Amino acid sequence: QSALTQPASVSGSPGQSITISCTGTSSAIGGSYLVSWYQHSPGKAPKLVIYDDIKRPSGVSVRFSGFKSGNTASLTISGLQAEDEADYYCCSFGVNIDVIFGGGTKLTVL
Amino acid sequence: VQLVQSGAEVKKPGASVKVSCKASGYTFTTYPINWVRQAPGQGLEWMGRIRVSHGMTKSSQRLQGRVTMTTDTSTNTAYMELRSLTSDDTAVYYCAKSRGVMGGSFDFWGQGTLVTVSS
Repeated sequence: QSALTQPASVSGSPGQSITISCTGTSSAIGGSYLVSWYQHSPGKAPKLVIYDDIKRPSGVSVRFSGFKSGNTASLTISGLQAEDEADYYCCSFGVNIDVIFGGGTKLTVL
Repeated sequence: VQLVQSGAEVKKPGASVKVSCKASGYTFTTYPINWVRQAPGQGLEWMGRIRVSHGMTKSSQRLQGRVTMTTDTSTNTAYMELRSLTSDDTAVYYCAKSRGVMGGSFDFWGQGTLVTVSS
């Protein structure tokens, strides 16, 4: 069982916004631990969409945003598009500790 | 930046597998290479990382003792060897480059290598 908890699934209609949460203990996500988010579609390599809690890599749509407060991080996708349908994973990094992935959330665009 | 992995493998229980990951488009020795796997129907699992500049490795507690990560800086290639395979090791294995020199998020990924463990 992952130390980072995500909802198994979320859904939304095109144009809507959705938020995926990622909750962990203080030893997994709080304080100095940095959270990143990955989009993973079947048959493809995962894609980094948010790093260092809130930063967006070059080339990633501005519709993706990240937030963290205490032991909970979240990924918000605004203006949902069909191409956003994928699995999303949060991931926590600390200095000299194991990297931890959340269990993943399946996003369905209705 | 590109990471190109070796092809699919089929192994018997108890055997070992070695997956390669050839990097291009950046200075290979600057950034760590990580290994991540996904078993069928499961989520992503971090296996470990190697700091290419000095070869220091850190593997996950779960796989410690069974996984070895190495690099060949003359060919810009990283390798991951997993020993004593069981059916639970059937998965797609990915290499991924760290975004920062000390580690951190994974900004570029290989295409994945399917390893099937079956008698």
